[in-house]
Amino acid sequence: EAQVTQNPRYLITVTGKKLTVTCSQNMNHEYMSWYRQDPGLGLRQIYYSMNVEVTDKGDVPEGYKVSRKEKRNFPLILESPSPNQTSLYFCASSFNSGSYEQYFGPGTRLTVT
Amino acid sequence: AQSVAQPEDQVNVAEGNPLTVKCTYSVSGNPYLFWYVQYPNRGLQFLLKYITGDNLVKGSYGFEAEFNKSQTSFHLKKPSALVSDSALYFCAVRDITGAGSYQLTFGKGTKLSVIP
Repeated sequence: EAQVTQNPRYLITVTGKKLTVTCSQNMNHEYMSWYRQDPGLGLRQIYYSMNVEVTDKGDVPEGYKVSRKEKRNFPLILESPSPNQTSLYFCASSFNSGSYEQYFGPGTRLTVT
Repeated sequence: AQSVAQPEDQVNVAEGNPLTVKCTYSVSGNPYLFWYVQYPNRGLQFLLKYITGDNLVKGSYGFEAEFNKSQTSFHLKKPSALVSDSALYFCAVRDITGAGSYQLTFGKGTKLSVIP
């Protein structure tokens, strides 16, 4: 089954404790992206990757890191989480960055206390 | 910079009536436009897209949208609403000729409630 998986689905952590949210897709997609969803703000893009070893900042990259060492994986790293990073995070992938629609993972709800 | 506006936070419609969810966009070049739907506790699902050609595009679950270049709009429509259409709807744009051509920008979302 074609899908985007994220882990963990739920995470409660404390300020400053490094964490990684994994994202994996099995569709051989070139383009992958991370979004955060906050009430009243919709989805905002954090980082995106056009292909292996090619990443770029989205609209809200501060406090986040990403890497794309393999085509299927695109982990999101929070080196020192803060309470304002409490949010619902979605990973997405698409065939490329052009006209193709994105497939979304189920989401990761992160709470930073 | 590219942007999307969904002017209504919430739209209420009676079951069986036509529905419209509004979206306007701003890009410096030419747009690719998308609609996505999010059901409670789920990720987003693709509904339809406008790339080029016919201004009226048809998508999943009986939805359609009309691209209007002069009004920079891409409103989502359905002739007869179902209770199961109740969800959060997002419009998104990519400027294919501008500096943000690798980015997809989403609107803030419109909550659609279909009343039985």
